[in-house]
Amino acid sequence: DTEVTQTPKHLVMGMTNKKSLKCEQHMGHRAMYWYKQKAKKPPELMFVYSYEKLSINESVPSRFSPECPNSSLLNLHLHALQPEDSALYLCASSHTRGEQYFGPGTRLTVT
Amino acid sequence: AQSVTQLGSHVSVSEGALVLLRCNYSSSVPPYLFWYVQYPNQGLQLLLKYTSAATLVKGINGFEAEFKKSETSFHLTKPSAHMSDAAEYFCAVRSGANSKLTFGKGITLSVRP
Repeated sequence: DTEVTQTPKHLVMGMTNKKSLKCEQHMGHRAMYWYKQKAKKPPELMFVYSYEKLSINESVPSRFSPECPNSSLLNLHLHALQPEDSALYLCASSHTRGEQYFGPGTRLTVT
Repeated sequence: AQSVTQLGSHVSVSEGALVLLRCNYSSSVPPYLFWYVQYPNQGLQLLLKYTSAATLVKGINGFEAEFKKSETSFHLTKPSAHMSDAAEYFCAVRSGANSKLTFGKGITLSVRP
């Protein structure tokens, strides 16, 4: 099974809302990733967790807050977002040095 | 440092024609190379990967790619295009112990009936 699941599929939120994106994998991967993707662009790395510890933060604004409760789950907490944050948010996982498997993404619209 | 170049933004082929999507990479150490496909409103799906074993790599859906170190290339090919191959294709490189993927800008493949 090479499935990464993400919920919700779509999310519309106002600039004062707090919401969370969720990602789950059961492949035994110990590395998990959040990416942001704008239309017709490649994914941009936001965060990397390795063995449930944050290992890379690509200078992401603090209105995005990641969390890795256990080795199978990855959350992205959102607060006070801006309209330019509207994008497809992708989660991925991998063995530490293996290929990354992506989820279907959450389409986020900030109004 | 590592980088990926995918020339052009759009390739259009007829159904049944050869598909060739070009990818050139730059890496200071032996690279790991990947091709991903993204269908509209979906995530990225791994097509194939090169990890220093065979230089000709076969992937899913009839795609294959050849690693050419002398040309720093990893071009993606498929002998006969299907309508269902229409999608966005990304080449990506990962170098050494760093787990970060560097993506090319992507290329849109259209298939004409």
